[in-house]
Amino acid sequence: AQSVAQPEDQVNVAEGNPLTVKCTYSVSGNPYLFWYVQYPNRGLQFLLKYITGDNLVKGSYGFEAEFNKSQTSFHLKKPSALVSDSALYFCAVRDETGGFKTIFGAGTRLFVKA
Amino acid sequence: DAGVIQSPRHEVTEMGQEVTLRCKPISGHDYLFWYRQTMMRGLELLIYFNNNVPIDDSGMPEDRFSAKMPNASFSTLKIQPSEPRDSAVYFCASSGQGFSGNTIYFGEGSWLTVV
Repeated sequence: AQSVAQPEDQVNVAEGNPLTVKCTYSVSGNPYLFWYVQYPNRGLQFLLKYITGDNLVKGSYGFEAEFNKSQTSFHLKKPSALVSDSALYFCAVRDETGGFKTIFGAGTRLFVKA
Repeated sequence: DAGVIQSPRHEVTEMGQEVTLRCKPISGHDYLFWYRQTMMRGLELLIYFNNNVPIDDSGMPEDRFSAKMPNASFSTLKIQPSEPRDSAVYFCASSGQGFSGNTIYFGEGSWLTVV
């Protein structure tokens, strides 16, 4: 069965500094990996995904994520954080052999201080 | 595209009452998901459908919960009878056909409070 872990409940970063939100996963086959963002009282919005190919994936709002198969990680990054990036971020994993069942991590709250 | 549409957005009901949540997926999507979000348990997959057929309902918490998808453009999640511990945000989501790497798109959620 697939699983995903987000080891940090909260990440604090100053505006303008780089940010990293961590994610590790476990699947039987090859993974499909996703990042979503949730703003207060809203649904989850898709940021980016890794399916195959280049390990560095670029997504919306300047975010990117790096797939590392040996470390089973898919960390979300942004070179320069904005106050408006403050939100709840979810990593999700789907096993390519497991149909469409998609498991989400517990979420990491990002707080960007001005 | 209007996105995934859920109703009601907010519902407050008394314990023991029946609750029905509704969802209209994105047109052309043939996968539909119901998730539940709580502070304690995070985001849990309850059930998902493919071409209106339930594929995996292992996340449905108990017999009080049921989900149907009578056609490609409509699904319901029903709780009967409701209990205070069912209070949560229920999300419906949908995804396109074919490629299992397709993205899931979420609705804005139905905020349920059972008192």
